[in-house]
Amino acid sequence: AQKVTQAQTEISVVEKEDVTLDCVYETRDTTYYLFWYKQPPSGELVFLIRRNSFDEQNEISGRYSWNFQKSTSSFNFTITASQVVDSAVYFCALRPGANSKLTFGKGITLSVRP
Amino acid sequence: SAVISQKPSRDICQRGTSLTIQCQVDSQVTMMFWYRQQPGQSLTLIATANQGSEATYESGFVIDKFPISRPNLTFSTLTVSNMSPEDSSIYLCSARDRGVPETQYFGPGTRLLVL
Repeated sequence: AQKVTQAQTEISVVEKEDVTLDCVYETRDTTYYLFWYKQPPSGELVFLIRRNSFDEQNEISGRYSWNFQKSTSSFNFTITASQVVDSAVYFCALRPGANSKLTFGKGITLSVRP
Repeated sequence: SAVISQKPSRDICQRGTSLTIQCQVDSQVTMMFWYRQQPGQSLTLIATANQGSEATYESGFVIDKFPISRPNLTFSTLTVSNMSPEDSSIYLCSARDRGVPETQYFGPGTRLLVL
């Protein structure tokens, strides 16, 4: 069975602070894909990143960075110098290679205060 | 990436009625999905929309309540039948891009309120 745990439910930071959103996953598949999505108050789900299980390179995109560690089954997301526009619900998701279904975590509500 | 549109974007409906949500993708995609997101909750997969055949439903969801059509590779509809207030949710269409099969994209969602 697949499982995604986002233990943090709500995080509140002041603008310009760095913030890390945690994601821990469980799967027995050796090939799988991990995702982060952002859901702003408007409701649409915005794709942020996909990481394949065979690629453990960390990635940086502007103020966003992702730390993938297979040894701890974690795929954490860090926002550097947070901005008010980063306020949203962030979902981590897992899709095993042999299964077409995407399993979502419960989401983390991030509030960035000016 | 696939661009997905949905209609309507929101609706308020009376209990006992039905609503059909349309989903259009701007390119041919291998798979299309329908999700429900109840207030303050995560996303739950309702079904996989199969082109030219019956949809594949997840546990807890049935065709009589959520009939789905997918007449071609770019279009699907979800009907929420005989609605009750418990059906008030965001319904999201999703698709896997044929060119990048591992990435799944989502439509803007349909916000449904049932009175």
